[in-house]
Amino acid sequence: QKEVEQNSGPLSVPEGAIASLNCTYSDRGSQSFFWYRQYSGKSPELIMSIYSNGDKEDGRFTAQLNKASQYVSLLIRDSQPSDSATYLCAVRGWGNNRLAFGKGNQVVVIP
Amino acid sequence: DADVTQTPRNRITKTGKRIMLECSQTKGHDRMYWYRQDPGLGLQLIYYSFDVKDINKGEISDGYSVSRQAQAKFSLSLESAIPNQTALYFCATSGTSANYGYTFGSGTRLTVV
Repeated sequence: QKEVEQNSGPLSVPEGAIASLNCTYSDRGSQSFFWYRQYSGKSPELIMSIYSNGDKEDGRFTAQLNKASQYVSLLIRDSQPSDSATYLCAVRGWGNNRLAFGKGNQVVVIP
Repeated sequence: DADVTQTPRNRITKTGKRIMLECSQTKGHDRMYWYRQDPGLGLQLIYYSFDVKDINKGEISDGYSVSRQAQAKFSLSLESAIPNQTALYFCATSGTSANYGYTFGSGTRLTVV
């Protein structure tokens, strides 16, 4: 089982809609969770971090964490064409101080 | 200036040549990482270092070596470049707290012909 899985294929959403991305992880002791945005040919940029169960909101982004079910989600409200990018989920497990990255989900916002 | 600087930004080299990619950071972090990224494969960890005297292999270290010259500098070398090492290479740094994410450099696009 891969440490961090992002299984959804490319996600196309109309401008103004909500984009929803999901990520599951295998290490039940994982302690910190991150979402990165990566534009094509550019470096990953940290957009959200979450450490405890529940929701965390920052502007149009909301991260949701459910440790019992071992998943973390990212919601992008009022999607804009500039949100078109690949979103990487990253998880830091207990006692392992490196981040494990998912392969990413591509989001395409259609004007 | 960027927190994490990678040089060169782009490089074309010939098969069999030795090449060095350099990374420096101004965040004062102890931990540094080298990743490669190929289309559709996500980030693959090559090497990482938790302090100047600590070097560890990642998932795909074969054909690569690293040097941690100082807290701020971490270089990646391809001893004898081959075409399947053509990729986008990223350096990253992080603090020691579990709540730290990584800060990435802008990347080096390497082409081996």
